[in-house]
Amino acid sequence: ETVLTQSPATLSLSPGERATLSCRASQDISIYLAWYQQKPGQTPRLLIYDTSNRATGIPARFSGSGSGTDFTLTISSLEPEDFAVYYCQQRKYWPPITFGQGTRLEI
Amino acid sequence: EVQLVESGGGLVQPGGSLRLSCAASGFTFSSCAMSWVRQAPGKGLEWVSTITNSGGNTYYTNSVKGRFTISRDNSQNTLYLQMNNLRAEDTAIYYCAKVPNFAVGVWFDPWGRGTLVTVSS
Repeated sequence: ETVLTQSPATLSLSPGERATLSCRASQDISIYLAWYQQKPGQTPRLLIYDTSNRATGIPARFSGSGSGTDFTLTISSLEPEDFAVYYCQQRKYWPPITFGQGTRLEI
Repeated sequence: EVQLVESGGGLVQPGGSLRLSCAASGFTFSSCAMSWVRQAPGKGLEWVSTITNSGGNTYYTNSVKGRFTISRDNSQNTLYLQMNNLRAEDTAIYYCAKVPNFAVGVWFDPWGRGTLVTVSS
């Protein structure tokens, strides 16, 4: 099973700042990583698939990068609605599909 | 607009059974693989199962193999999850999710609002 480790567990920033979230895979997963956003009490939403492709309707301030075992989700300038929990997910080696444990982005 | 609406959750005793449903609309259901993903209270996301568009192939996480069965009725645009021999650790919100392009890879977009399953005596 491919383990995904996200860091930090919690990230405290202010609106307008740049956020950098990390996801590390236990083995080489090429570019096959996705990112999701989950706001409190809401359903998860796909942000990025295959490392750097934004899903439909996702603002350009969200970007993804990386390959192999190290990946980054960057939010260039935080908006108030961006404070949420973010999960990474790999699809290279499945089953099982695996998710990271999440990073909480808080004000 | 794609809509996924789950139902069938509730309180069940350990060892009991439940059948979850997910009613899909707004897209060609029979062309898309579908999945179930769960989230225990206050915890992260856990993939449970995926079924191909025709229903010909199914995939499960190890902890539910032999207990859960994913299926679909393409004539009714509905996805199912039959859950037997339920355990306390199966307590979670169960989300139905569309797999946009199974031929390319498995990611989930969009997700339904979820249905809560509670396993407790």
